[in-house]
Amino acid sequence: GEKVEQHESTLSVREGDSAVINCTYTDTASSYFPWYKQEAGKSLHFVIDIRSNVDRKQSQRLIVLLDKKAKRFSLHITATQPEDSAIYFCAGSTSSGQKLVFGQGTILKVYL
Amino acid sequence: AQTIHQWPVAEIKAVGSPLSLGCTIKGKSSPNLYWYWQATGGTLQQLFYSITVGQVESVVQLNLSASRPKDDQFILSTEKLLLSHSGFYLCAWSHAGTITEVFFGKGTRLTVV
Repeated sequence: GEKVEQHESTLSVREGDSAVINCTYTDTASSYFPWYKQEAGKSLHFVIDIRSNVDRKQSQRLIVLLDKKAKRFSLHITATQPEDSAIYFCAGSTSSGQKLVFGQGTILKVYL
Repeated sequence: AQTIHQWPVAEIKAVGSPLSLGCTIKGKSSPNLYWYWQATGGTLQQLFYSITVGQVESVVQLNLSASRPKDDQFILSTEKLLLSHSGFYLCAWSHAGTITEVFFGKGTRLTVV
């Protein structure tokens, strides 16, 4: 089955710098890749997603890149702010099913 | 607007005791429904999904069961809790059809002692 690997377990960046979180997946049939944010003790909150028919998507300070050949996708957070500090999860799913496989999560800390 | 409500917010239960967690989605008909489990400090594991009333598919075996008795209700249960069942349980929904954005409830924190 699909496996999603999240490469950075923790990431510390200075406020205003960019943060990049990388994920890889195994199933070439995967076509939907969302990202979620989890603040301490809370549930998951959707931040952005990308489908396999595009290789880049931007929403304000968030950019998602998808490299289908390498089976890799990444989340770029530009001009980071302290409120960006949280755990970020990447996930992957095939278009046919209802199964979303999550990465292990990246703890992002934005310091002043 | 759609809302998702999970209950209870938290539970402390003894090993071997039964468990029932619930989830209700309002404002959306025939959603896909999901149960996820998150071990403390860990990733999320999808447990079950349902695309229609009365039909539930298991994704992993954790000595848990799920049911969808109504279109807007999803129940997670077990007759005998294990210590390994401790964690954060999240109910979620998405629009029917091809998987799209999944919306999560606020979760139930379960501690098995």
